[in-house]
Amino acid sequence: KAGVTQTPRYLIKTRGQQVTLSCSPISGHRSVSWYQQTPGQGLQFLFEYFSETQRNKGNFPGRFSGRQFSNSRSEMNVSTLELGDSALYLCASSLVAGAGYEQYFGPGTRLTVT
Amino acid sequence: QQQVKQSPQSLIVQKGGISIINCAYENTAFDYFPWYQQFPGKGPALLIAIRPDVSEKKEGRFTISFNKSAKQFSLHIMDSQPGDSATYFCAASENYGGATNKLIFGTGTLLAVQP
Repeated sequence: KAGVTQTPRYLIKTRGQQVTLSCSPISGHRSVSWYQQTPGQGLQFLFEYFSETQRNKGNFPGRFSGRQFSNSRSEMNVSTLELGDSALYLCASSLVAGAGYEQYFGPGTRLTVT
Repeated sequence: QQQVKQSPQSLIVQKGGISIINCAYENTAFDYFPWYQQFPGKGPALLIAIRPDVSEKKEGRFTISFNKSAKQFSLHIMDSQPGDSATYFCAASENYGGATNKLIFGTGTLLAVQP
């Protein structure tokens, strides 16, 4: 079974631009979560989707948004990019929502904002 | 109350030795505690996880010890190998009635196993 895939793997953007990242969960998984990883803040929860509905949201500004499609694939969008948005963005998929269900991470998208 | 505190920040162990990484939490509503291993350039990979109704769980060379009263849990890597050199993250999750997978991560431990 294929793992979680994320595209693109690397991205360079300029301040003020917007970016869309894509995540395809493991086949059969219906829950997708997004995390931001930086050296300073570590791994931080962005948001979580299940059955096309946002179930939970982390403490990030409204510039960060996401959505999930009927095939469980998910996208996240960051508008008006800032230098501090440079990070590894990780997507994790799980069979269903709820603590105790194993989450599997993709390789991440490395976003660099210049 | 949402924090998970992890120590040490870095760890050097000789090949064949035992690596021990500790985590502590405050939120008593946490009820799922996974450990992840991350190699450079890769996403975190689930190693092993435990629920608070169990005091210890072992999978191969990896063991989680859980102390509910102290609100602490630890990862033990037995017979550490150079291939175990990676960053390890503990995490915790609170089951909002089964509604969320949100994980709160520790700050990570960089493990180096010397040959």
